[in-house]
Amino acid sequence: AQSVTQPDIHITVSEGASLELRCNYSYGATPYLFWYVQSPGQGLQLLLKYFSGDTLVQGIKGFEAEFKRSQSSFNLRKPSVHWSDAAEYFCAVGGMNTGFQKLVFGTGTRLLVSP
Amino acid sequence: GAGVSQSPSNKVTEKGKDVELRCDPISGHTALYWYRQRLGQGLEFLIYFQGNSAPDKSGLPSDRFSAERTGESVSTLTIQRTQQEDSAVYLCASSLVSGGRNEQFFGPGTRLTVL
Repeated sequence: AQSVTQPDIHITVSEGASLELRCNYSYGATPYLFWYVQSPGQGLQLLLKYFSGDTLVQGIKGFEAEFKRSQSSFNLRKPSVHWSDAAEYFCAVGGMNTGFQKLVFGTGTRLLVSP
Repeated sequence: GAGVSQSPSNKVTEKGKDVELRCDPISGHTALYWYRQRLGQGLEFLIYFQGNSAPDKSGLPSDRFSAERTGESVSTLTIQRTQQEDSAVYLCASSLVSGGRNEQFFGPGTRLTVL
């Protein structure tokens, strides 16, 4: 069955420090991978997506993610965190095995940014 | 409007009552999705509409849940005889064309509390 694991429920990072949020997936075919961010009271906003090609993808707000097939991972990174990055982050997988339309989401990682 | 809108933003109901949740997708988006987000959980796919095709209802948890969509416009998710375990945030998303390569744009959600 398809699944996404985000092992960190909460992460606290100092403002200006680097960030890495972990995402591991289980998917029987070529995955389409996504990172979404959810701020309080807001819907989910797409940060970046991977379909094929270059395994390092750039997104909005200075985020990037690297697809590593051998590790079934799609970790999200940012070199310098800003206080406004405090939010909940969701990794999701889709593709042929889920009929393309359905995304399977992880349980999310809540990012706290300390001054 | 510019984005996906949902109403109401909050709904408190008593166990056993029926509720209707509304989603207005982005104009021109042919695909519409409903997800459920329970506290501390990722998003669970509920149902998907694409144009005039039969909806994919494979994620609906029970026959108390149903959804309708008129053409490529508004959708309504109905929960009959609500139970406490139905308490969650219900998120709607739309995309321009179906398929995993197309970004899903999310609304802010409806927070449902069943007492």
